[in-house]
Amino acid sequence: QVQLQESGPGLVKPSQTLSLTCTVSGGSISSGGYYWSWIRQHPGKGLEWIGYIYYSGSTYYNPSLKSRVTISVDTSKNQFSLKLSSVTAADTAVYYCARGRTYNAFDIWGQGTMVTVSS
Amino acid sequence: SSELTQDPAVSVALGQTVRITCQGDSLRSYYASWYQQKPGQAPVLVIYGKNNRPSGIPDRFSGSSSGNTASLTITGAQAEDEADYYCNSRDSSGNPSFGGGTKLTVL
Repeated sequence: QVQLQESGPGLVKPSQTLSLTCTVSGGSISSGGYYWSWIRQHPGKGLEWIGYIYYSGSTYYNPSLKSRVTISVDTSKNQFSLKLSSVTAADTAVYYCARGRTYNAFDIWGQGTMVTVSS
Repeated sequence: SSELTQDPAVSVALGQTVRITCQGDSLRSYYASWYQQKPGQAPVLVIYGKNNRPSGIPDRFSGSSSGNTASLTITGAQAEDEADYYCNSRDSSGNPSFGGGTKLTVL
């Protein structure tokens, strides 16, 4: 079965770029019909959609983060990645990668990775 | 603030039925999906589409929708159902959007 796993630094300095990778196992990221997503959760708060990418490379971003976000896909490694630039303490959160499908459903999630922005 | 509104907290007696609601104009056009999140864990999809349960989700979980309100119903709530529940649909621009979440307490 498909599994997702986030990886990347747990600590990022203010003004720098947060970079995370999600590795997809048990299935191909090139399978049609899915959108590969990043979602975050601030400590003690709700879920916030960051953006997603289709295997073709088409991307869609949350307008509130669009100027700072880049999501890319590497089909050869079965991975997709998140870059969030010019981070501040407000970007401290648990970051999840997830598989999106029809009916606005995110059916498979990674375990999440905590990223703290601090000097 | 979210365009999908959920009650912050709901409680239910063990074995009773509870309905968790999600309100938003976009729900007139889009289906909602529902997620269960326990402390320290990733969210888990429990309902999507008209009323579909992923494999492994107990049939005590069901979904419905009417007008601008989507509902998640747990029939015969169990202690292990105590968790945060989030709805998800689209915002007015068609982007994914989550509700603020409902903390369910099973008494």
